[in-house]
Amino acid sequence: NAGVTQTPKFRILKIGQSMTLQCTQDMNHNYMYWYRQDPGMGLKLIYYSVGAGITDKGEVPNGYNVSRSTTEDFPLRLELAAPSQTSVYFCATQAGNYGYTFGSGTRLTVV
Amino acid sequence: QKEVEQNSGPLSVPEGAIASLNCTYSDRGSQSFFWYRQYSGKSPELIMFIYSNGDKEDGRFTAQLNKASQYVSLLIRDSQPSDSATYLCAVETNRDDKIIFGKGTRLHILP
Repeated sequence: NAGVTQTPKFRILKIGQSMTLQCTQDMNHNYMYWYRQDPGMGLKLIYYSVGAGITDKGEVPNGYNVSRSTTEDFPLRLELAAPSQTSVYFCATQAGNYGYTFGSGTRLTVV
Repeated sequence: QKEVEQNSGPLSVPEGAIASLNCTYSDRGSQSFFWYRQYSGKSPELIMFIYSNGDKEDGRFTAQLNKASQYVSLLIRDSQPSDSATYLCAVETNRDDKIIFGKGTRLHILP
């Protein structure tokens, strides 16, 4: 049982490049989230989804896009990478009121 | 006022002593409260959740909630070097059911 799987684990992008961060879960949870974590700044919500076909913006959505075509997958798209998007990105799922299960994270550097 | 506040630390505690981590929140209607542990370079993992006023114990961990004072704490008894990590307080707001994270407290257990 893999839980929440994120790929890639590390990536270096040049300014203006695009990429997709993948997130897949096998727990059949409806709720999925994307967070970014900057040093000393805590976790900031980028986008979230309450089920297939439904997504909504979080606290810091600018520069990102998401889609949710299936329950399992919730990819995060960066269209024009900027240095401000250098961060660690976490995908998470939630079942009921029992908190989140996080993926292992993607460490992204934009140069 | 920040929604979820924690002292960033570091909090240094001798091995075997009790570590006390504190968190305050601003949304008086919040119902669910979580403590996550995050080792350096790793993803957060849920260690405790609490919904009702009072204490909840799980092994060496005790979560304490006081809704009147908008205060939640985590006690770690018999602290071990393996408890050295950043502890994130998270609160599910009544406003939109999203979970808001504090910036975390770094805990260092001194051998």
